[in-house]
Amino acid sequence: AQSVTQPDIHITVSEGASLELRCNYSYGATPYLFWYVQSPGQGLQLLLKYFSGDTLVQGIKGFEAEFKRSQSSFNLRKPSVHWSDAAEYFCAVGTYVSGNTPLVFGKGTRLSVIA
Amino acid sequence: DSGVTQTPKHLITATGQRVTLRCSPRSGDLSVYWYQQSLDQGLQFLIQYYNGEERAKGNILERFSAQQFPDLHSELNLSSLELGDSALYFCASSVVNYGYTFGSGTRLTVV
Repeated sequence: AQSVTQPDIHITVSEGASLELRCNYSYGATPYLFWYVQSPGQGLQLLLKYFSGDTLVQGIKGFEAEFKRSQSSFNLRKPSVHWSDAAEYFCAVGTYVSGNTPLVFGKGTRLSVIA
Repeated sequence: DSGVTQTPKHLITATGQRVTLRCSPRSGDLSVYWYQQSLDQGLQFLIQYYNGEERAKGNILERFSAQQFPDLHSELNLSSLELGDSALYFCASSVVNYGYTFGSGTRLTVV
């Protein structure tokens, strides 16, 4: 069964600093990988996804993520963080069998941004 | 507005009661997924429906049930509620290429 590990429960960065959120997955076949963001009291919004092809994927709000098969990782990055990026970030993994399998989510990383 | 509508937004009920959560998927999406989000368990997959049929089941308790109707809206029924069922319940809908779109959730508080 798939699983996702987000090693960092909480990260604090200064506004304007770079950001990297870690995600490791466990799945035998080629995974579909996702990053979602959740602001307080809101639902989850898709930031970016990886299905195949170029291992560096660009998403919304200036985020990018890199798929590294050898490390089973899909880390999320942003070169310069804005205060509005403070939120909870979730990595998720899925696959296609005979239809989409439900996504499995990590437990999330809470991002705080300080001035 | 994501296009996925969940009602009600908040629900407070007593232990032992039964509640129904409703989800209207985004137009054209045939799949509906239900997730439970709690502080200790994170986002847990409960159940998936595709075009009216149950497609996959996750960590859904026997006290919980769901269905998807011909107009594709879905309902999640929670019965014999316990304090531990207090959580955010999310519905998401998708098309075949994993275009998961989440609703804003229903916050259930059991007192």
